[in-house]
Parts: sequence; C-alpha cells; structure tokens
Amino acid sequence: DAKTTQPPSMDCAEGRAANLPCNHSTISGNEYVYWYRQIHSQGPQYIIHGLKNNETNEMASLIITEDRKSSTLILPHATLRDTAVYYCIVRASTGTASKLTFGTGTRLQVTL
Amino acid sequence: DAGVIQSPRHEVTEMGQEVTLRCKPISGHDYLFWYRQTMMRGLELLIYFNNNVPIDDSGMPEDRFSAKMPNASFSTLKIQPSEPRDSAVYFCASSLGGAIYFGEGSWLTVV
Repeated sequence: DAKTTQPPSMDCAEGRAANLPCNHSTISGNEYVYWYRQIHSQGPQYIIHGLKNNETNEMASLIITEDRKSSTLILPHATLRDTAVYYCIVRASTGTASKLTFGTGTRLQVTL
Repeated sequence: DAGVIQSPRHEVTEMGQEVTLRCKPISGHDYLFWYRQTMMRGLELLIYFNNNVPIDDSGMPEDRFSAKMPNASFSTLKIQPSEPRDSAVYFCASSLGGAIYFGEGSWLTVV
C-alpha cells in the first residue's frame, strides 16, 4: 500500500467546514483513496472513498487532485460529534493488496 | 443490517489462560479481517480471510495467536497462552471488496 502523510492534529470551530488534507504522492493507478474515522472507544467508521473523481455522500466530500497525489476530506458543517481521529488510506480494490493499513491519522478537535 | 458483531465486548483474564474472541461478519461479505489496537502500535492488521480462506497472516505476532473461519458467518481469534502484553482492543471487520466495516471491538485485559 502507498504511504500517506497527514497532519497530526487540527482544530475546527463547530459549524464551520473542516478540511482535512492527505498527501499520497506514490499512489498507484489502481489504488483508491479511503477515509475512515475513529471516535474514542469505538471501531473505525468508513466515511468515503474515491479513485480520481470527487465524491460526496451524506457524511463528507472527497476532493482528489488531478494528479491524484493528494486529497482533502471536507466535513461541511462540523459538530462536536465529529471530534475523532481521521485516517486517510490508499488501497488497491482487490487481491492480496486489499487490506487496509492504518497510519497515525489526524486528530480533529471540534470546539464551540 | 446488524453490522459486524463481536463478542465478548470486554474480557479480563489471567496470564496463561486461553482467550477466544468471536466475530460474526456482515451477511454476504466475503472478506474478514482481524485488527489489534494499542496505544503504542496503533491499529495493526493481524490476519485476513477471503471466502473463509486465510490470505495473509503475516501480522499474527506469534504462535500463541491463531484464527479460524469455519464458515462464512463466523470467525474466532484465539490466544493461548495469553500474556499481559496481549492486552489491547481487538477489532473484527468485513467487506465485499470495497469499504471495510468494523465491529465495536473486544477489549482484552490480561493480568
């Protein structure tokens, strides 16, 4: 799996957009970008994933640069319940490389 | 959908005892993963199965750890004998080749 680089921590005011960056400059053509988060004492939660097009779902938006070397996860209106560690992971879709390898992630603190 | 179900949620055991953690994946999923999380090492993949067959067990720390998947709806992770350094949260997860969905974890304390 390609390695990713994320800032160790970020703060965001409640109600504002949280933009979490991720660098994955060695990503391969068949690797997807996945985002997960882990709220304290819970299992990791799937947020969103994409290959090269921008993606949006009910939780977040994923913006992938044209060269695919970086991406940004956007939480449009952060709430206190979004405080968590956010993991950016690149992963092939199938085969023996289909496992998720977690790094250290970004600890997002949403404040009043 | 019930999600990935793990049991027990919490276990405290004495060093040297056998520990068995259980997992029921999401129905229809063909991949099953076992992860371990500690403060020191973060989230580590221990082993994963595809269609009940172990594919990669390179993350299993030593011979004291074993995992089985006798059918598509059940898997176990066994530690025998357990040691204090095995204290961690053990997560089971499943997928259908895309997003991987995690259970709530089994919190293991070995004293």
